[in-house]
Amino acid sequence: AQRVTQPEKLLSVFKGAPVELKCNYSYSGSPELFWYVQYSRQRLQLLLRHISRESIKGFTADLNKGETSFHLKKPFAQEEDSAMYYCALSGAAGGGNKLTFGTGTQLKVEL
Amino acid sequence: EAGVTQSPTHLIKTRGQQATLRCSPISGHTSVYWYQQALGLGLQFLLWYDEGEERNRGNFPPRFSGRQFPNYSSELNVNALELEDSALYLCASSLDRAAYEQYFGPGTRLTVT
Repeated sequence: AQRVTQPEKLLSVFKGAPVELKCNYSYSGSPELFWYVQYSRQRLQLLLRHISRESIKGFTADLNKGETSFHLKKPFAQEEDSAMYYCALSGAAGGGNKLTFGTGTQLKVEL
Repeated sequence: EAGVTQSPTHLIKTRGQQATLRCSPISGHTSVYWYQQALGLGLQFLLWYDEGEERNRGNFPPRFSGRQFPNYSSELNVNALELEDSALYLCASSLDRAAYEQYFGPGTRLTVT
């Protein structure tokens, strides 16, 4: 079975401080990992996909297969980063490309 | 380009009734996914349709069903509604069954009283 764990429901940081949103996964094959973000009153949208190795809005995420983690990081938090962040996993063994989501972490960036 | 659209925005039903939710994918997308976001349970996969066929379903009872039309739009039906079916139902579309990236709609808020 595939599972995604986000241990923090709420993460509060000050503007300019580093951010790390934790994500651990359980999957028997080679997963595709994603970070989705939902800003206030907006729809869920893709932020990052591990295979693309991009930096989006200053965020990066590295897949660590040894630790089965895919933590989301940003060196300097901005007020506009305040949102709900979901880690998600997709894998062929799960039957198609359905996404298994973590429960989400609410990031609050304080001034 | 229009994104994924869902209707209605809100739906209020009583226990035992049936609910029908609709989704229109991004133009050119053939795969449609349905997810349930219930309070305290997070986003859970419900159903996946591609090219008019149900390809996979999540761990939900058979009273959750749906279909995909020739124009790739989709309908989710929930029969014999129960109070715990109250949730936000999200639809997502992807280019095809091989595409990993999913684009989400705004959701339909279903309230069962």
